[in-house]
Amino acid sequence: QQQVKQSPQSLIVQKGGIPIINCAYENTAFDYFPWYQQFPGKGPALLIAIRPDVSEKKEGRFTISFNKSAKQFSLHIMDSQPGDSATYFCAASKSYTGNQFYFGTGTSLTVIP
Amino acid sequence: GAVVSQHPSWVICKSGTSVKIECRSLDFQATTMFWYRQFPKQSLMLMATSNEGSKATYEQGVEKDKFLINHASLTLSTLTVTSAHPEDSSFYICSARRDIRNEQYFGPGTRLTVT
Repeated sequence: QQQVKQSPQSLIVQKGGIPIINCAYENTAFDYFPWYQQFPGKGPALLIAIRPDVSEKKEGRFTISFNKSAKQFSLHIMDSQPGDSATYFCAASKSYTGNQFYFGTGTSLTVIP
Repeated sequence: GAVVSQHPSWVICKSGTSVKIECRSLDFQATTMFWYRQFPKQSLMLMATSNEGSKATYEQGVEKDKFLINHASLTLSTLTVTSAHPEDSSFYICSARRDIRNEQYFGPGTRLTVT
């Protein structure tokens, strides 16, 4: 059973556009929601993460929006660049228990120059 | 900070041989490390959770006798693929959990090809 559902599977935007990737979860015990960026042949890199005590977190051009009641969170990439072309994974976990991270299925983003 | 290394980055071996992959957290201690397998254009599949000083916990369907995991110190975990077969060819990625903040940092991955 997929603990975290991610959409869309792929996304193509023009340079300067704002791609939005969405994730939904069911387990209300999750309290840590990171996003990872992965380039081909490389390991995922932690991009930004949020905890449920805030509704939005911004780091540079990357913003996470979090809706606790809907059990959804999304990644927005402002002023997207061709170098942002990568696969993005959302994840969820329960803090301080050593539990595993549950990953979404990934979104392949292509930013066209 | 929060750098995780993996060695080797790629390896080619013959069917029936064993391959060891090392995962190191370079600038933090990691009580818990994870081993994932990733197929092309797919998500990360958790294979096992490695805890320092204790036996690894394997996910359902993962053969513990085939994928041997040793977490000998707070900065090193190893995955040994024993008697490798072509179907074991994959991209193996480790991650290390930085305990205080529950952040998980990934290594660069190891591409295993079994001929």
